[in-house]
Amino acid sequence: EDKVVQSPLSLVVHEGDTVTLNCSYEVTNFRSLLWYKQEKKAPTFLFMLTSSGIEKKSGRLSSILDKKELFSILNITATQTGDSAIYLCAVSQPDTGNQFYFGTGTSLTVIP
Amino acid sequence: DADVTQTPRNRITKTGKRIMLECSQTKGHDRMYWYRQDPGLGLRLIYYSFDVKDINKGEISDGYSVSRQAQAKFSLSLESAIPNQTALYFCATSDAGQPQHFGDGTRLSIL
Repeated sequence: EDKVVQSPLSLVVHEGDTVTLNCSYEVTNFRSLLWYKQEKKAPTFLFMLTSSGIEKKSGRLSSILDKKELFSILNITATQTGDSAIYLCAVSQPDTGNQFYFGTGTSLTVIP
Repeated sequence: DADVTQTPRNRITKTGKRIMLECSQTKGHDRMYWYRQDPGLGLRLIYYSFDVKDINKGEISDGYSVSRQAQAKFSLSLESAIPNQTALYFCATSDAGQPQHFGDGTRLSIL
């Protein structure tokens, strides 16, 4: 059965710390892996990764995909309280059947 | 204005009632989706539609139905609501192979 597993489930850190969030997947067909940030409302898109080994970066956030080992990591450096959120990982498949599979998310809390 | 708008934002109702959640979008995307989010279970797909004449069941479609009234509108119905359908419901849109854009969600409580 296809699945996406995120770890840890929750994490509490202090401002300034660096965190690494993990996402592993098992899907029959793979097109891309996506990271979203969810605060109080809608998940908002962070990154889409399609190729192994190519880091995507946006400010203090970065992410990389390993298609051989079937996982991705999301790094956040110099964390701030505004980074507190649930981070969701999703895997997309080609245009047949269910296109997106989501993990359960990692809840990150950044303490001042 | 939000690109993906869900109404209502919150709803409390009783077991057995019929409920409709509505979603409209201004992004011009062909693909629309309905998810529910429960604590510890992440986002689970209820139904999705790749265009106006296309409707597909997701992994948890039992107890739900949908209608794609137009490219921009996709509604979700609970014909006879039950308490375990209490959840946060999200509508999303996308182009093929592109990230999804989510509405702000509808918090539904069934007593």
